[in-house]
Amino acid sequence: TQLLEQSPQFLSIQEGENLTVYCNSSSVFSSLQWYRQEPGEGPVLLVTVVTGGEVKKLKRLTFQFGDARKDSSLHITAAQPGDTGLYLCAGVEGKFQFGAGTQVVVTP
Amino acid sequence: EPEVTQTPSHQVTQMGQEVILRCVPISNHLYFYWYRQILGQKVEFLVSFYNNEISEKSEIFDDQFSVERPDGSNFTLKIRSTKLEDSAMYFCASRRDPGANVLTFGAGSRLTVL
Repeated sequence: TQLLEQSPQFLSIQEGENLTVYCNSSSVFSSLQWYRQEPGEGPVLLVTVVTGGEVKKLKRLTFQFGDARKDSSLHITAAQPGDTGLYLCAGVEGKFQFGAGTQVVVTP
Repeated sequence: EPEVTQTPSHQVTQMGQEVILRCVPISNHLYFYWYRQILGQKVEFLVSFYNNEISEKSEIFDDQFSVERPDGSNFTLKIRSTKLEDSAMYFCASRRDPGANVLTFGAGSRLTVL
């Protein structure tokens, strides 16, 4: 079983601060996805990274895929209360395998 | 934008009852999934379905569970005799083909077993 470990489990920051969450595995994935999930709703895809070393930007969010395609990070610049949510990474190798998520809370 | 739709959004049932959760995947998608998420826990893979048969299932997906694609649009998850521990959000997802790396989720069906 390929395990994805996300850290930290919980992050609480003030509006305007930066944050980084991590997704690590001992396995190689053909691609990796980041989702955000809000209470009572399904995960919503933010980005897919495919190439080792790839960096993708989505407004204030920056996603990086490790060179060896085993890890990824999500960096949020100048966080806003609307960024609050559970951030999930999912490794794609056949089936999609999810990490446990990082709960991010951004307070005004 | 195409979306995956799930019904019901919330179902309350008594322990031992049968439950059917329904999903309408995106119309040109060929690969279908069920995941569940117990409150406060991680999203767990249950089963994947392709070409009218189960392609992979997890250890959670025991004999109490079954999936079916009864027509060209619906994809159902049946729990034959619900247990208290089946209470969870159940998410359906689909993707276009085996090579596609985009998985689209529905909004989920919350199942509460009393």
